[in-house]
Amino acid sequence: GNSVTQMEGPVTLSEEAFLTINCTYTATGYPSLFWYVQYPGEGLQLLLKATKADDKGSNKGFEATYRKETTSFHLEKGSVQVSDSAVYFCALSVRTGNQFYFGTGTSLTVIP
Amino acid sequence: SAVISQKPSRDICQRGTSLTIQCQVDSQVTMMFWYRQQPGQSLTLIATANQGSEATYESGFVIDKFPISRPNLTFSTLTVSNMSPEDSSIYLCSVHGQGNTGELFFGEGSRLTVL
Repeated sequence: GNSVTQMEGPVTLSEEAFLTINCTYTATGYPSLFWYVQYPGEGLQLLLKATKADDKGSNKGFEATYRKETTSFHLEKGSVQVSDSAVYFCALSVRTGNQFYFGTGTSLTVIP
Repeated sequence: SAVISQKPSRDICQRGTSLTIQCQVDSQVTMMFWYRQQPGQSLTLIATANQGSEATYESGFVIDKFPISRPNLTFSTLTVSNMSPEDSSIYLCSVHGQGNTGELFFGEGSRLTVL
């Protein structure tokens, strides 16, 4: 079947620290992979995506590389800011039916 | 991308009442998706709404509890019927983006609190 396993939170970091949020997946076929961010009191926003193996998605200093050999799509940022405090969701979609599968979300708090 | 507007953004409701959430998209789309996000949880797909046909509900969700309308290609409503405190959640409308990558775009959500 299709599923996403995401690193459990909450995660608390100091400003300018390095961030990694782990995400692994199982999928039938060749999924597209996504990271969404949900700021407090808001809906989900697409942060970045990758549609095939070895693709790197990037946005706002965040990066994630589609690793087929390890079935992973870990989110990284070199230097987090207080404004990055949010919940981050890893997700995949499979082309058949375009169904989406979301991870459980990882809450990040960045302290000054 | 797609711009999605949802109303209401939040509401406090009494047990036993019903509330209808509206979702307006700035472009014509074939499918619209309704998700529920319970407090501290991930997203659960409630149903897929196609214009001109009945919505398709996921396991655990029924039309009597969550009736959906889809009168045209840019608009949908979700009603949460006979609410109980367990229905307190964020309800999110979403649509696919254009092209083959098929990312989902979300409205800002409707945060319901049932007392």
